[in-house]
Amino acid sequence: DTAVSQTPKYLVTQMGNDKSIKCEQNLGHDTMYWYKQDSKKFLKIMFSYNNKELIINETVPNRFSPKSPDKAHLNLHINSLELGDSAVYFCASSLGLAGGLSYNEQFFGPGTRLTVL
Amino acid sequence: TQLLEQSPQFLSIQEGENLTVYCNSSSVFSSLQWYRQEPGEGPVLLVTVVTGGEVKKLKRLTFQFGDARKDSSLHITAAQPGDTGLYLCAAAGAGNTGKLIFGQGTTLQVKP
Repeated sequence: DTAVSQTPKYLVTQMGNDKSIKCEQNLGHDTMYWYKQDSKKFLKIMFSYNNKELIINETVPNRFSPKSPDKAHLNLHINSLELGDSAVYFCASSLGLAGGLSYNEQFFGPGTRLTVL
Repeated sequence: TQLLEQSPQFLSIQEGENLTVYCNSSSVFSSLQWYRQEPGEGPVLLVTVVTGGEVKKLKRLTFQFGDARKDSSLHITAAQPGDTGLYLCAAAGAGNTGKLIFGQGTTLQVKP
């Protein structure tokens, strides 16, 4: 009965490689997000999609490309990985953007720890 | 730029002690949330406060939203080792985008 799931849990790769992280939610939510948590535990939004439409793109390098094939899935592809990309990446979802308090409460996945060597 | 500042950043206390974590901003927010994150897991929502001056209780945790809706506090009474974790405050960004702005977090360690 997992709500928000991510794969893989751990990803170790060489600089310059291309990698993808997948996210799926079974909550029936309309909005999904990608966050990056750095080594100091600071959590920062990267992207959000609402019903497969890109809503937020927070000055993230264009090596990062999100893709939402349907509203239950949001994947993150990273090209030409750099050392500074090492972090924990969290996927999250929320009900939607129609307004109202409950729509902004977010449910997070378990995270993907990316290590670039 | 909307910023949330949390204090303290680190807190190590003995079981049974009380503690308060603060979340401050110069901006006014329509709502503010508190999340708790345990090692190796994603943040989990604890509470959302909406009204200025609002106080919400969750067992030994008491959350307060400032009257001006610029700040919030989390008070834990008689802390237990199970309270150990990273506590994050978060507020909705401007515009209806669902964006959450997070504080830097407070790492709490409760020793038995």
